[in-house]
Amino acid sequence: SQKIEQNSEALNIQEGKTATLTCNYTNYSPAYLQWYRQDPGRGPVFLLLIRENEKEKRKERLKVTFDTTLKQSLFHITASQPADSATYLCALVPMGGSQGNLIFGKGTKLSVKP
Amino acid sequence: GAVVSQHPSRVICKSGTSVKIECRSLDFQATTMFWYRQFPKQSLMLMATSNEGSKATYEQGVEKDKFLINHASLTLSTLTVTSAHPEDSSFYICSARDVEQFTDTQYFGPGTRLTVL
Repeated sequence: SQKIEQNSEALNIQEGKTATLTCNYTNYSPAYLQWYRQDPGRGPVFLLLIRENEKEKRKERLKVTFDTTLKQSLFHITASQPADSATYLCALVPMGGSQGNLIFGKGTKLSVKP
Repeated sequence: GAVVSQHPSRVICKSGTSVKIECRSLDFQATTMFWYRQFPKQSLMLMATSNEGSKATYEQGVEKDKFLINHASLTLSTLTVTSAHPEDSSFYICSARDVEQFTDTQYFGPGTRLTVL
C-alpha cells in the first residue's frame, strides 16, 4: 500500500542545535516533495519544495534533501530557535498526479527549548 | 507572497443546520482550490478539488451531497456542510494553487474550526 510516514511524532531539542526531521514514502514515485510548517490552529505554510532530480535545497537556516533510492527526505533546521517550534509536515505529489493533489504525512511536532 | 483567506475562522452550530465556509485567494488567481479536513493529531485529508467553472472532484468516501462546493470565480471557493452532525466537527482548511507557477505549491488558508453541537 502507499504510505508517507514521518517517523517521529515529536522531537525535542535544545536551542542552537540542528533539528533533523525524516519523511519516508512507500509505493510512490513523487515528482516533488514539499515541506510545510503548521502552527496550532492554523493552516500549513509552505517552506520548501524539492524535485525528484534535485538532491538538496537550501533556504536560510533550512535544508532539505531528497534521496529517491532510499525513498526519503530529510529536513534540517540549523541553529534552531524556540520560534521554530511547530509541527512540520512533508507532502508529496505523486508522479502523474492530477492537479497537484498533495499527500501529507502526519507531521512531526518540533519543540525547541531555550 | 500568495495569501489565502478563510471565513469564518470559527463556527459553532446546532446539529442539522448548514454552514458555509469561504476561501479566497487575495493576490492571485486560482483555477484550482482544494478543501482539506484535519482531525486532532492527524494529517490533512483531501476532501475535494474545486475547479473554477466546473464541478468539484471528490475524494473517495466524501459525500458530495453533504459537502457542497462552489467555485464561482478565480478567487473564491465555498464549502457548505449541509445538515451538519457532531461527527462533522473538525478543522477545515482550503488551499489554492497559483496558476502562474509551474509547480504544485499550494497556499493554505488559516483554517476554519467547525464545532457541531
